[in-house]
Amino acid sequence: DTGVSQDPRHKITKRGQNVTFRCDPISEHNRLYWYRQTLGQGPEFLTYFQNEAQLEKSRLLSDRFSAERPKGSFSTLEIQRTEQGDSAMYLCASSLLAGDSYEQYFGPGTRLTVT
Amino acid sequence: AQKVTQAQTEISVVEKEDVTLDCVYETRDTTYYLFWYKQPPSGELVFLIRRNSFDEQNEISGRYSWNFQKSTSSFNFTITASQVVDSAVYFCALSFLGGNEKLTFGTGTRLTIIP
Repeated sequence: DTGVSQDPRHKITKRGQNVTFRCDPISEHNRLYWYRQTLGQGPEFLTYFQNEAQLEKSRLLSDRFSAERPKGSFSTLEIQRTEQGDSAMYLCASSLLAGDSYEQYFGPGTRLTVT
Repeated sequence: AQKVTQAQTEISVVEKEDVTLDCVYETRDTTYYLFWYKQPPSGELVFLIRRNSFDEQNEISGRYSWNFQKSTSSFNFTITASQVVDSAVYFCALSFLGGNEKLTFGTGTRLTIIP
């Protein structure tokens, strides 16, 4: 059973460019979450999918951010017109909604640096 | 609103000493989960424990133990006979039970074990 994977692991981009990150959850996990972690802080919730439906978005997710999970498997997070304030670690997590099991398993993250 | 406070920003102890990491939470929900995650230097968040609000029994897993007290809204984590491999940032987190289970994290405690 492979864990959650994220690609790329690191991304350096210039301000104003668009970037897209991918997350592959643990197979059969029906819930997928995106979080953002800045230096010295805990992860903050961005958005969440149950299967292919995006059920909640944080107010942190501005109009420049969009996330998809087209077939209920992998997910993408796109940031348009990046700003220096977008520099952070973007974490993906997945979980299986079944019975009493709610643990979220995290991927290694994508570290974004906007110059 | 939910909030998790980890007042200890950094702790250093000498190897083999015991160390307790504090976590205080706030929530208006009557049913919730509490979690601890470990983030080693590699960056990937590792799940350690989940405790639901109905279960105040303390738990021990090897050198790790957790003390949950609803009366003081605390969920503290103790490492006994610390080892260098325990060096990491530790996060306490909270989620509402029955919703989307998004995690609200504290700011983390950086633990350094000195050989």
